[in-house]
Amino acid sequence: KAGVTQTPRYLIKTRGQQVTLSCSPISGHRSVSWYQQTPGQGLQFLFEYFSETQRNKGNFPGRFSGRQFSNSRSEMNVSTLELGDSALYLCASSFIRGSYNEQFFGPGTRLTVL
Amino acid sequence: AQSVTQPDIHITVSEGASLELRCNYSYGATPYLFWYVQSPGQGLQLLLKYFSGDTLVQGIKGFEAEFKRSQSSFNLRKPSVHWSDAAEYFCAVGAGNTGKLIFGQGTTLQVKP
Repeated sequence: KAGVTQTPRYLIKTRGQQVTLSCSPISGHRSVSWYQQTPGQGLQFLFEYFSETQRNKGNFPGRFSGRQFSNSRSEMNVSTLELGDSALYLCASSFIRGSYNEQFFGPGTRLTVL
Repeated sequence: AQSVTQPDIHITVSEGASLELRCNYSYGATPYLFWYVQSPGQGLQLLLKYFSGDTLVQGIKGFEAEFKRSQSSFNLRKPSVHWSDAAEYFCAVGAGNTGKLIFGQGTTLQVKP
């Protein structure tokens, strides 16, 4: 069974641009969560999607948004990029909701904002 | 508020020596606790998890962790470290019935030959 895939793996953008990151969960998994990882703030929860609905959102500005499609694939979008948005963005999938379910993480997308 | 603290940012141990990584959590209810490992350029891999029952849990790669409710701790241990264990280790608590995980700041493990 293929793992969680994230595309692209690396991305370079300039301030003010917007970016879309993609996450394909493990086949059969319906819950997708996104995390931002930075050296200063560590791993921070962005949002969680289940059955195409955002179920939970972390403490991030409205520039960060996401969606989930009927095949459970998810995208996250960051508009008006800032230097501080440079980070590793990790996607995780699980079979159903609930933190007692193991979350499987993808390799991440490394975003650099210049 | 829910939080996880990993007091040690960086630990160096010799290959073959024992290892203990500390984790303290703050959570109102019975926590779901996890340890993840991250190698450079990789995502996170689950080492082990605790939900209920036996407070000593076994994981992959020879790791184990002990849940101590009285100390709000979930320390990770390994009796004999291998060079391939060098990585960053994260303790996390699950926030109830959501998919949200709250992570500690991580501990970087360096293994000396």
